[in-house]
Amino acid sequence: SQQGEEDPQALSIQEGENATMNCSYKTSINNLQWYRQNSGRGLVHLILIRSNEREKHSGRLRVTLDTSKKSSSLLITASRAADTASYFCATDRGGGFKTIFGAGTRLFVKA
Amino acid sequence: DTEVTQTPKHLVMGMTNKKSLKCEQHMGHRAMYWYKQKAKKPPELMFVYSYEKLSINESVPSRFSPECPNSSLLNLHLHALQPEDSALYLCASSQVGRESKNIQYFGAGTRLSVL
Repeated sequence: SQQGEEDPQALSIQEGENATMNCSYKTSINNLQWYRQNSGRGLVHLILIRSNEREKHSGRLRVTLDTSKKSSSLLITASRAADTASYFCATDRGGGFKTIFGAGTRLFVKA
Repeated sequence: DTEVTQTPKHLVMGMTNKKSLKCEQHMGHRAMYWYKQKAKKPPELMFVYSYEKLSINESVPSRFSPECPNSSLLNLHLHALQPEDSALYLCASSQVGRESKNIQYFGAGTRLSVL
């Protein structure tokens, strides 16, 4: 079973707007990652946030982590049509090789 | 080179066929993974190899047989598959450090159809 749950399941916005996606998980983690997947392709690692970090930035991406609520959010600012993709959070379930992916948010950015 | 190469890109096979999926990376990664992904679903872990040894088998049916001949190659041998096995099969690799293993590099996948 998947550890992470994401909402919304789908999000449609206009180019230039911000997109926020949320992820919740159930067990303790060492870190949480976000990945992007273009339609029918492989996943691309976007950002990793450690369990002792609360916020991290990378370009137009901002990730927050609240371990007390077991939740994370991914904010994409000034979205572009090229950001259209599915976004997955992933957790390591306490340090092993096993990576558990959330259900994903499908983002559609209209030009 | 940060590329993971999977072949073939597409595969159609009958339920009595035997076929193999191949994955190759030259990043020096010592962990390699097979995932199965159904449409509009997240990837589901199947197998993990660490230092060419099988580390995780997520109770995958024996009709899927993984093989790691060396540190750069990962195969998935398929035999007597069922139509419900039709999916995108993704290979990934990573380093094995405490945190670096969580940064996985994925191939583009093999789209498998079982008739």
